[in-house]
This record gives sequence, C-alpha cells and structure tokens, in this order.
Amino acid sequence: GENVEQHPSTLSVQEGDSAVIKCTYSDSASNYFPWYKQELGKGPQLIIDIRSNVGEKKDQRIAVTLNKTAKHFSLHITETQPEDSAVYFCAASISGTASKLTFGTGTRLQVTL
Amino acid sequence: DAGVTQSPTHLIKTRGQQVTLRCSPKSGHDTVSWYQQALGQGPQFIFQYYEEEERQRGNFPDRFSGHQFPNYSSELNVNALLLGDSALYLCASSFWGIQETQYFGPGTRLLVL
Repeated sequence: GENVEQHPSTLSVQEGDSAVIKCTYSDSASNYFPWYKQELGKGPQLIIDIRSNVGEKKDQRIAVTLNKTAKHFSLHITETQPEDSAVYFCAASISGTASKLTFGTGTRLQVTL
Repeated sequence: DAGVTQSPTHLIKTRGQQVTLRCSPKSGHDTVSWYQQALGQGPQFIFQYYEEEERQRGNFPDRFSGHQFPNYSSELNVNALLLGDSALYLCASSFWGIQETQYFGPGTRLLVL
C-alpha cells in the first residue's frame, strides 16, 4: 500500500520568513496530493491540493510543488504569520472510486515573533 | 452552509464497552469516510461509505463497523473497546464523483479507561 513520509517533524521560523515542508510517497499510481492544517483541538482543514497533471499550484501565500519522477511534493508558505502556527499534514490518494487518503506523520510549525 | 458535524465532542468509556459516534456530512456531499488519529500521528483510514454501503476498508479489525443512512449521515461503532482505541475519530465528507477531496469535521475525542 501507499506510504507517505513527511519532514521535518518540527519547524520553527520567524514571522515573515518562509517555511517549507516536504513529503515523499511510494505508490506511483497516486495522483492527488492534499495538504491539511490542523490547529489544536480541531479537525484537519484542507488548505491546498494538487493533482498529478500539474507541477505547481499557488494560493496567496501558500504553494505546492510536485515532482512525479522523484515522487515528492512540498508545501511552501511565504511571509509566515503567527496564525500559521499549527500542525501540517500531507496526504496522497488515487482519485477515482473509493479513494482513501494516506497521511504523513505531520509537521509542527511554530512562527515566532 | 454547515460544514461537517460530529457528535459527541468528547467521550469516556471503559474497556470492553461499546461506543457509537455520529457524523453529518457537508451539504451536497454523499460520501463519508472515517479516520482514527492517535496522539501525535496522522489520521489513519478506517472505512468509507457511499449509498449506504461500505466501499473500502482500511486495516482495522471487525470491532469497527459503520453505517450510512439515507440522508448521508453516518455512524461509527466500536465494540469491545481497548485502551489502544483512545484517539480522535474524524469524519470526512466528500462528493462521490470526487471522493478524494475530503473535508473533515472537528472529531470526537474518545478516551478508554
């Protein structure tokens, strides 16, 4: 089955700096890669996703890149703000019938003032 | 437009007991997936329901069972609770045509003593 690895497990940046979180996946059939943000005591919130037919996607301060050949994808957050502090999870899935998400182990991002 | 709702928010049970958790999907969604999130880990897929049938199942024992109702809401049942079942149980809803794009509820935190 699919296996998703995520690094780093913790990341501390100063406000205004950029943050990068990286994930690798094992199943070459995976073609959908969402990123979730989970704040304390809440469920994961979908913040951005990318499909295998594109290499990069941006939404304001966040962007995701995908390298299908290397089977890795990354989340980039620019101009970080204290409210970006949370746990971020990457996931992989095969789109189509009965899709299930396989998650990475999470990255705790702390944005300091 | 209501998002995914889950009840109860918290639950305390003792070993050997049974528990039922409930989920109402986002408006317009017809598919419900359940995930278990242990402390400090990423969510793990339990199973997915569509048209009142279990469509896919993760690596969980038969103690875990579910149901989907005609209004698309769903229940997760866990029998013979073990201490290791203590976790955050997350419900995710999606539209069957794009089931990989899943939106999570706030979760039910289950503590087994």
